[in-house]
Amino acid sequence: KQEVTQIPAALSVPEGENLVLNCSFTDSAIYNLQWFRQDPGKGLTSLLLIQSSQREQTSGRLNASLDKSSGRSTLYIAASQPGDSATYLCAAKLIFGTGTRLQVFP
Amino acid sequence: NAGVTQTPKFRVLKTGQSMTLLCAQDMNHEYMYWYRQDPGMGLRLIHYSVGEGTTAKGEVPDGYNVSRLKKQNFLLGLESAAPSQTSVYFCASSGTSGLPPIVGELFFGEGSRLTVL
Repeated sequence: KQEVTQIPAALSVPEGENLVLNCSFTDSAIYNLQWFRQDPGKGLTSLLLIQSSQREQTSGRLNASLDKSSGRSTLYIAASQPGDSATYLCAAKLIFGTGTRLQVFP
Repeated sequence: NAGVTQTPKFRVLKTGQSMTLLCAQDMNHEYMYWYRQDPGMGLRLIHYSVGEGTTAKGEVPDGYNVSRLKKQNFLLGLESAAPSQTSVYFCASSGTSGLPPIVGELFFGEGSRLTVL
């Protein structure tokens, strides 16, 4: 059974910092892994979808990597901004982690 | 292009009452899903459907029923609501690719907040 873990559970950083969010999964037989952003009281917004054949996927200041063999994915956020404050979730084989709550302060 | 639309957005029920949540998608996706989100538990899959007329159980199916009579709609029903079903419910849909079909990118609705008193 797939289990997805996200570390850290919460993160507070000053504006401008580069940061890394971690996602690990137990079943490496995945076809893709997806990262989401969720603002309080809102739905999930898709950020990046990495196919199993890819190692990285980039969108603007976001870069996601995938290492299937080790069961890990990371989301790198460059030059963080207060508007990046949200909860970030990853999902593999329809199973979600509990998320990392990010706060970026000015 | 509306994407995934959920109705209603808010609902308060008394224990034992029944209700139906409606999810509609306009992306012609084959696959549709219902999740619930609870503090500290993350999102958990309740039921899903891989096509019109099909449904399957997810991680936490007990107390819920679903139907997919039309490709664009996926209904989640509670026959006898319990306080433990107080949650935020999310519907999602995805396309597929290849054979056997691989689940593609998930698209979510805005959620339906249900309170059972």
